[in-house]
Amino acid sequence: NAGVTQTPKFRVLKTGQSMTLLCAQDMNHEYMYWYRQDPGMGLRLIHYSVGEGTTAKGEVPDGYNVSRLKKQNFLLGLESAAPSQTSVYFCASRQGAGYTFGSGTRLTVV
Amino acid sequence: GQQLNQSPQSMFIQEGEDVSMNCTSSSIFNTWLWYKQDPGEGPVLLIALYKAGELTSNGRLTAQFGITRKDSFLNISASIPSDVGIYFCAGLTGNQFYFGTGTSLTVIP
Repeated sequence: NAGVTQTPKFRVLKTGQSMTLLCAQDMNHEYMYWYRQDPGMGLRLIHYSVGEGTTAKGEVPDGYNVSRLKKQNFLLGLESAAPSQTSVYFCASRQGAGYTFGSGTRLTVV
Repeated sequence: GQQLNQSPQSMFIQEGEDVSMNCTSSSIFNTWLWYKQDPGEGPVLLIALYKAGELTSNGRLTAQFGITRKDSFLNISASIPSDVGIYFCAGLTGNQFYFGTGTSLTVIP
């Protein structure tokens, strides 16, 4: 089925650990995004990419890195997790105004 | 970043009632989108609006792109229990979408 797939769906990390969240889309979309969603804050843009090999900072990029080595994949990395990074992370891809979201990754940092 | 003010933050309504929510900004947007998010899922696009004054319907949902291009409205008529969820507006400027903080809708049977 066409869409955006995020892995993993859930993860618990200890403070200081690192991890990578994977986003894969099979719609050949140029634009991909990583958002975090916190209660009362809506969706906040972390990083985005306008095409393979490109990345750019969003609204809340600190503590995160991204890579877009292949058009279909957009990776979000946490080098040293902090409790403030406890959140639900959503990946999205876009062509025109057609935004498609993944189902989210719930990350808890203890 | 851009600030989108969405109101109300939450609504508790009786099944069958109509619902109205809106999104305002101090900035001009070229596109407005409305999304619904069910628990444990990502947002799903409901309606897209591309020009000022545009009024678009999708079943019981109707959305409007404000004439000033700084606001948008979403109405749901004759609400049903499956309308429960969080509704987000999003505005496009340049290459980026900015999201409102969401309206949580609870429909009481």
